[in-house]
Amino acid sequence: SAVISQKPSRDICQRGTSLTIQCQVDSQVTMMFWYRQQPGQSLTLIATANQGSEATYESGFVIDKFPISRPNLTFSTLTVSNMSPEDSSIYLCSVGDSLRGTEAFFGQGTRLTVV
Amino acid sequence: ILNVEQSPQSLHVQEGDSTNFTCSFPSSNFYALHWYRWETAKSPEALFVMTLNGDEKKKGRISATLNTKEGYSYLYIKGSQPEDSATYLCAASNSGYSTLTFGKGTMLLVSP
Repeated sequence: SAVISQKPSRDICQRGTSLTIQCQVDSQVTMMFWYRQQPGQSLTLIATANQGSEATYESGFVIDKFPISRPNLTFSTLTVSNMSPEDSSIYLCSVGDSLRGTEAFFGQGTRLTVV
Repeated sequence: ILNVEQSPQSLHVQEGDSTNFTCSFPSSNFYALHWYRWETAKSPEALFVMTLNGDEKKKGRISATLNTKEGYSYLYIKGSQPEDSATYLCAASNSGYSTLTFGKGTMLLVSP
């Protein structure tokens, strides 16, 4: 199992600004995942963050908009850049070496509102 | 990306009622089906991970079944309690993808 501390838990931001979300895991993990849930939509994978290499982004998500850092095996950040109201969502980090066949562990989520 | 559908979108039941939700997913190249429970302001919590056709798993009053041939899973809650109120997410993966695809969830409200 893994315990993930995610912060901030919520924020209200002005459009055009950026917000960095942090996730700290209580154990070393190979892969960390960042998800977004827009209102009324599914939890959608933004990118996979591996330590020591660039993050792998899913279709529709780009590094300039969602830069990710993974400086070590217990920590990662996601930045939501140049925010617009469409970025208002819940952002979640998750860990697991094999998300397919074993359970995933999640942070508490960051509820972002862009005004 | 897989197409994972959940129904109903929301459900309101009385304490003591039993209820069930459905998750449908593509049956081709199926690998695993996950169920998570997500309470407001908390982390999603894994309920079940199932991989075999015909799998049935149980945790207290909650149980789940899996049919990989027809591509669906049911989650059952027996004797619902107010503390069962949460959003229930299912997620599927197949052998072609190394990550999970989530449905939109079923929001359950149990009234005392």
